[in-house]
Amino acid sequence: DQQVKQNSPSLSVQEGRISILNCDYTNSMFDYFLWYKKYPAEGPTFLISISSIKDKNEDGRFTVFLNKSAKHLSLHIVPSQPGDSAVYFCAAKRLQGAQKLVFGQGTRLTINP
Amino acid sequence: DSGVTQTPKHLITATGQRVTLRCSPRSGDLSVYWYQQSLDQGLQFLIQYYNGEERAKGNILERFSAQQFPDLHSELNLSSLELGDSALYFCASSVDPVSVYEQYFGPGTRLTVT
Repeated sequence: DQQVKQNSPSLSVQEGRISILNCDYTNSMFDYFLWYKKYPAEGPTFLISISSIKDKNEDGRFTVFLNKSAKHLSLHIVPSQPGDSAVYFCAAKRLQGAQKLVFGQGTRLTINP
Repeated sequence: DSGVTQTPKHLITATGQRVTLRCSPRSGDLSVYWYQQSLDQGLQFLIQYYNGEERAKGNILERFSAQQFPDLHSELNLSSLELGDSALYFCASSVDPVSVYEQYFGPGTRLTVT
């Protein structure tokens, strides 16, 4: 049972344009969501997070939007830069109980110069 | 550099063997998590320790076990290895287990079972 889904395995965007990565979840008990970025041969690096009490969180070029009714979140990167090329994982957790992260399968983002 | 260290980086072993993966959390972090990433899959939670005690278990096989030592480093033991155990194994740490604090990941250990 895939509780967190990233339906696009890959995405290609022109440098300077907006990258939008999407994530859907099925478990309504999740109340905290995170995005991680992963380069080859490295561990995932935390990027940005959002609590379920918010619908938007912004950090520099990165903005995460949460639509609780649709159980959907998205990560916007603007403007996209070549260094943003990586695999992006969406993750979710419950703040009560076990703190395990439930990850999506990842989306490989390629920024073309 | 996340501050989480994992050794070894790569491990190649044969079916039926046993291996131990080691993780040192970030300074000050009391909670350690282990995740497995198989080919083209997301990371799957295996087990969590907090200050030496097991806190949560995921889909960890009975052939796998882990512990967290008094100095807070953790080891993941994989025994009777099968080809399907080939994967990247990540360790993560966080300040405490019941908070919004993010988990910081190590670089991973790539296990290849032949």
